Amino acid sequence: EDQVTQSPEALRLQEGESSSLNCSYTVSGLRGLFWYRQDPGKGPEFLFTLYSAGEEKEKERLKATLTKKESFLHITAPKPEDSATYLCAVQGERWGKLQFGAGTQVVVTP
Amino acid sequence: DGGITQSPKYLFRKEGQNVTLSCEQNLNHDAMYWYRQDPGQGLRLIYYSQIVNDFQKGDIAEGYSVSREKKESFPLTVTSAQKNPTAFYLCASMGTPTDTQYFGPGTRLTVL
Repeated sequence: EDQVTQSPEALRLQEGESSSLNCSYTVSGLRGLFWYRQDPGKGPEFLFTLYSAGEEKEKERLKATLTKKESFLHITAPKPEDSATYLCAVQGERWGKLQFGAGTQVVVTP
Repeated sequence: DGGITQSPKYLFRKEGQNVTLSCEQNLNHDAMYWYRQDPGQGLRLIYYSQIVNDFQKGDIAEGYSVSREKKESFPLTVTSAQKNPTAFYLCASMGTPTDTQYFGPGTRLTVL
């Protein structure tokens, strides 16, 4: 059974204080690992897809990396508008079925 | 403007009632999904449909029903058999070949 564990559950950062979020996974035949951002009361917003170990993708202050067992979402010099819950999900052999982690809630204070 | 719409945004249900949540997409995606989100838990898959007139149960289908009569629409009915329906419900769609699921804004259902 596919499993995804995200850590930490919550993260409080000062503006400009860089940090990383972890997503550990076990999956049979990884088809893709997805990162989403979710604001309170809203649907998840797609950020990145990673397909193979060693792959990296960047978007503004966010950088996602992938190994065979985990993915990291690095937040560089965060701003208050980066405050959100970040969700990680994996897609295995069963086409179209995503397994989500519980998320990491990030709060960035000025 | 392409996207996924869900209605209503908020829904209140009395015990014993069935309610239907709407999900419409104009992205021309074949696959559509329904998830449930509870505080502190990841999204859990209720039902999904890969093509019109076909759908499959997800991990927590008991107490829910769906239909897929049109490519654009995938309504979810929460029946009285669902014992704990209070949650945030999210609809998603996916097109190939990116295999990326895009989400609607969600419906918050509260049982009174």
